[in-house]
Amino acid sequence: DIQMTQSPSTLSASVGDRVTITCRASQSINTWLAWYQQKPGKAPKLLIYKASSLESGVPSRFSGGGSGTEFTLTISSLQPDDFATYYCQQYNSYWTFGQGTKVEIK
Amino acid sequence: VQLVESGGGVVQPGRSLRLSCAASGFTFNNYTFHWVRQAPGKGLEWVAVISYDGANKYYAGSVKGRFTISRDTSKNTLYLRMNSLRTEDAAVYYCARDADTTMAWNYCYMDVWGKGTTVTVSS
Repeated sequence: DIQMTQSPSTLSASVGDRVTITCRASQSINTWLAWYQQKPGKAPKLLIYKASSLESGVPSRFSGGGSGTEFTLTISSLQPDDFATYYCQQYNSYWTFGQGTKVEIK
Repeated sequence: VQLVESGGGVVQPGRSLRLSCAASGFTFNNYTFHWVRQAPGKGLEWVAVISYDGANKYYAGSVKGRFTISRDTSKNTLYLRMNSLRTEDAAVYYCARDADTTMAWNYCYMDVWGKGTTVTVSS
């Protein structure tokens, strides 16, 4: 099974900050990686697929990068609506989520 | 485009429950679907997948042999039959559409999610 590890688990930041979340896979997954945003009591929302492709309707301040085993999600200028939990997910072999990164207000 | 789950509730350990997910706004037969769950205060866990034609079904190890995924094309509905429920199965269960539109068996991400239905397992 492919394991996904996100860091940090919690991130405190202010509006306007540049924020980066890291996701590591236990083996190479090429670029078969997605990022989701989840707010309390809501379903996950797709942000990024194939490591760096922005889902339609998602603001351009979100970007993804990486390949193989190391990936990043960057928010270029954090907005009030971005405080949420973010999950990476591999879909190279079956499906596995990272444990999540909570972005909270500093 | 919408997915609406139902069927959650409170059930005793060892009992069964069937979840449903009604799809609308797109051609149900063309898509693979997943169930994903989230225990209280925890992260997301993939549970099961069924291919667009129902021919391929796969399960997470934690539910294999106890849960069964199925689909009814005449009702545009996805199901999850959960038997021998355990306290650790308590979670919000989401159905999610696989983004692959090739009508072939490919691993892909999930582009549409329902709002979820809550399953509580308690005596």
